[in-house]
Amino acid sequence: SQTIHQWPATLVQPVGSPLSLECTVEGTSNPNLYWYRQAAGRGLQLLFYSVGIGQISSEVPQNLSASRPQDRQFILSSKKLLLSDSGFYLCAWSVATAGNQPQHFGDGTRLSIL
Amino acid sequence: QKEVEQDPGPLSVPEGAIVSLNCTYSNSAFQYFMWYRQYSRKGPELLMYTYSSGNKEDGRFTAQVDKSSKYISLFIRDSQPSDSATYLCAMSGVLMAGGSYIPTFGRGTSLIVHP
Repeated sequence: SQTIHQWPATLVQPVGSPLSLECTVEGTSNPNLYWYRQAAGRGLQLLFYSVGIGQISSEVPQNLSASRPQDRQFILSSKKLLLSDSGFYLCAWSVATAGNQPQHFGDGTRLSIL
Repeated sequence: QKEVEQDPGPLSVPEGAIVSLNCTYSNSAFQYFMWYRQYSRKGPELLMYTYSSGNKEDGRFTAQVDKSSKYISLFIRDSQPSDSATYLCAMSGVLMAGGSYIPTFGRGTSLIVHP
């Protein structure tokens, strides 16, 4: 069966520090991969998605970036964190076929910026 | 008007009650509907998904879709304290590269089932 792993589960970082969040998927090949941010009471905001290695689409302009160095690895990064980057970050995957496929989420990283 | 509207609650019910959670949507092109359950400090977990209008049942859960009214519901029978969570609806939205769709999510309804 397929599993998705995100780490770390919680992270406290000072303003201006760099960020690297990692997500890996097991048990499937060539998945679509997604990064979301979830703010309290504001729903899920799609940040990035990827349909293949090295292919990244950005949905929201910001100081975050994403990379997909391997088929089942998705990384969210920042060179300098802002206070507004605090939130709950979720990685998700879906089967990469035409049409509708449900997304499956990891357990998220709670990021606090001080 | 948001594409997907969902009452944030909280909805508080006694154990054993039948729970009805609802979403409305405005885009008639939506054709694929999902419900997720999210416990506190966890990621959303897929509960049910369906393409068609009508009912789909899985154990204590029933998903209902009315495309003519642009209205979907999730019913939970014999609700348990362990059902206390936030429930998010989602429906197929933006077409992305490769022919897959990115879902549009509701903001979630917080459900509390008290013993």
